[in-house]
Amino acid sequence: GAVVSQHPSWVICKSGTSVKIECRSLDFQATTMFWYRQFPKQSLMLMATSNEGSKATYEQGVEKDKFLINHASLTLSTLTVTSAHPEDSSFYICSARDPAQTTLNSPLHFGNGTRLTVT
Amino acid sequence: QKEVEQDPGPLSVPEGAIVSLNCTYSNSAFQYFMWYRQYSRKGPELLMYTYSSGNKEDGRFTAQVDKSSKYISLFIRDSQPSDSATYLCAMGPSGYSTLTFGKGTMLLVSP
Repeated sequence: GAVVSQHPSWVICKSGTSVKIECRSLDFQATTMFWYRQFPKQSLMLMATSNEGSKATYEQGVEKDKFLINHASLTLSTLTVTSAHPEDSSFYICSARDPAQTTLNSPLHFGNGTRLTVT
Repeated sequence: QKEVEQDPGPLSVPEGAIVSLNCTYSNSAFQYFMWYRQYSRKGPELLMYTYSSGNKEDGRFTAQVDKSSKYISLFIRDSQPSDSATYLCAMGPSGYSTLTFGKGTMLLVSP
């Protein structure tokens, strides 16, 4: 099945620094990837949709200058949390759909997430 | 009213029990329903997906959708300790649409 790999799985950084998270589709090409954030005991919240070769689409309330997304190739999207603050501490998860699954049943496949702790 | 409601639990059952996990939703446009399993500190793993109403079975898992009641269920038969995880429902108008997730129900299966 489709595999999405995310790196790093866990990162601690100091307030004010930037952190980059990578998301790769390992056995398929993804023109679109999705970035979610999950706080403890909360549902997954879509932050932005990453589009290969064009600008990302951000959900309402998500600061595009703070959460920089780059989708430079069909297998790699990156999320950079700039000038991180403790309130940015969360579990960030990327996902993608396998375009080979062209029926209505085209579920999202998730990476294993990145736990960010900002001190 | 939130678009998707899911009891966070925890739901504790003994090994071998039948587990019923449920979500309710308010958006009648939702046609595509999924269940994900999420272990601690891991990303969600797709368990099952269904389109429109009806039942779908896969091994010990059965997904059920009742669109008239806006209610979906996931049944786990012969539950195992390895089933202990958080189960998230997700849904959307189509297979390519943005999904709305429930908060997840934590399931604990004791040996």
